[in-house]
Amino acid sequence: EAGVTQFPSHSVIEKGQTVTLRCDPISGHDNLYWYRRVMGKEIKFLLHFVKESKQDESGMPNNRFLAERTGGTYSTLKVQPAELEDSGVYFCASSQEGGGGNTIYFGEGSWLTVV
Amino acid sequence: AQKITQTQPGMFVQEKEAVTLDCTYDTSDQSYGLFWYKQPSSGEMIFLIYQGSYDEQNATEGRYSLNFQKARKSANLVISASQLGDSAMYFCAMIFPLQEGGSEKLVFGKGTKLTVNP
Repeated sequence: EAGVTQFPSHSVIEKGQTVTLRCDPISGHDNLYWYRRVMGKEIKFLLHFVKESKQDESGMPNNRFLAERTGGTYSTLKVQPAELEDSGVYFCASSQEGGGGNTIYFGEGSWLTVV
Repeated sequence: AQKITQTQPGMFVQEKEAVTLDCTYDTSDQSYGLFWYKQPSSGEMIFLIYQGSYDEQNATEGRYSLNFQKARKSANLVISASQLGDSAMYFCAMIFPLQEGGSEKLVFGKGTKLTVNP
């Protein structure tokens, strides 16, 4: 069974450009999460989808970040325009139907560098 | 507010020895879950072990065990018989139960970098 996959694995863009990160969750997982780790800091929650609906987007830093999950399958996270402080690792994770005990599986992360 | 504290930025252990990675948490909730993840240099976050707050027995998964002390609010990870491949960052994380209109969020600690020496 395929795990959570993320694309691209690495991206280097200039300040002001746009980047779109993609996440394919494990098949059948309704819950999809985005997390981010900025260098030297904790991994922080960004948002949570249940199927195609945004359950919680309280962790999104600002309106330069837009996440979508059309059809309840894969998700995209767009940063437009990118700023230097957006550099970090963006993790996607997925889990089965809600319940605190479900294992949450992470992808390998998308490493974003804004120069 | 919920918080996870990992006080060891780095740890060293000799191959084949056991090592304990510390994790303490702060929450007023009675129902929560605790995870440990491993992040090797390749970048992926690998699930290791889970402990529910109402689980009476400490969780174990192969060489990994979670020393859960609820009264002390600690959830230390014990790795027995360390292997060179265990060298990685280790993150402790806490999750809260799904509430109506709310979300399951993982709150992470800053991580501990474990180095296993031959």
